[in-house]
Amino acid sequence: SQTIHQWPATLVQPVGSPLSLECTVEGTSNPNLYWYRQAAGRGLQLLFYSVGIGQISSEVPQNLSASRPQDRQFILSSKKLLLSDSGFYLCAWGPGYEQYFGPGTRLTVT
Amino acid sequence: KNEVEQSPQNLTAQEGEFITINCSYSVGISALHWLQQHPGGGIVSLFMLSSGKKKHGRLIATINIQEKHSSLHITASHPRDSAVYICAASGAGSYQLTFGKGTKLSVIP
Repeated sequence: SQTIHQWPATLVQPVGSPLSLECTVEGTSNPNLYWYRQAAGRGLQLLFYSVGIGQISSEVPQNLSASRPQDRQFILSSKKLLLSDSGFYLCAWGPGYEQYFGPGTRLTVT
Repeated sequence: KNEVEQSPQNLTAQEGEFITINCSYSVGISALHWLQQHPGGGIVSLFMLSSGKKKHGRLIATINIQEKHSSLHITASHPRDSAVYICAASGAGSYQLTFGKGTKLSVIP
């Protein structure tokens, strides 16, 4: 069966520090991969999606970036965090239109 | 761009009540998703449907493509159903989801 992992589960980072969140999927190959963010009191927002290694599409211009160095690995990064980057970050994978969500990372930028 | 609207925003029910959450969207879609988010933040996919009706246990999801409307029903509600329920739509020919703002359900014993 397929499983999706995200780490870390929680993270507190100062403004201006770098960020790296990792997501890996097991039990499938060539999945579509997604990064979402849920800011406090707001709905989910798609940040990036990828249909293959090295293929990244960005939905929202910001100081975040994503990479897919391996088939089942998706990384969300920032060189310098802003206060507004605080939120709950979710990775998801899907075969086609289905999507399955990871456990999420709660990021607090102080 | 698709817009997804949910109602109500908040819902309080007595245990055992029948619950309905509504979702409407503005443009044609490939699929409509219902998600459940628990207080800790984790999200579970409940249903994905593109037509008709699906049932899983006490949960039923329906969609009317012509009216661009979907409903999630919970029969015999239970306190463990308390969560935020989120409707999301995949645009026509797209895997990307547009989310509603969610409905916070509280079921009181």
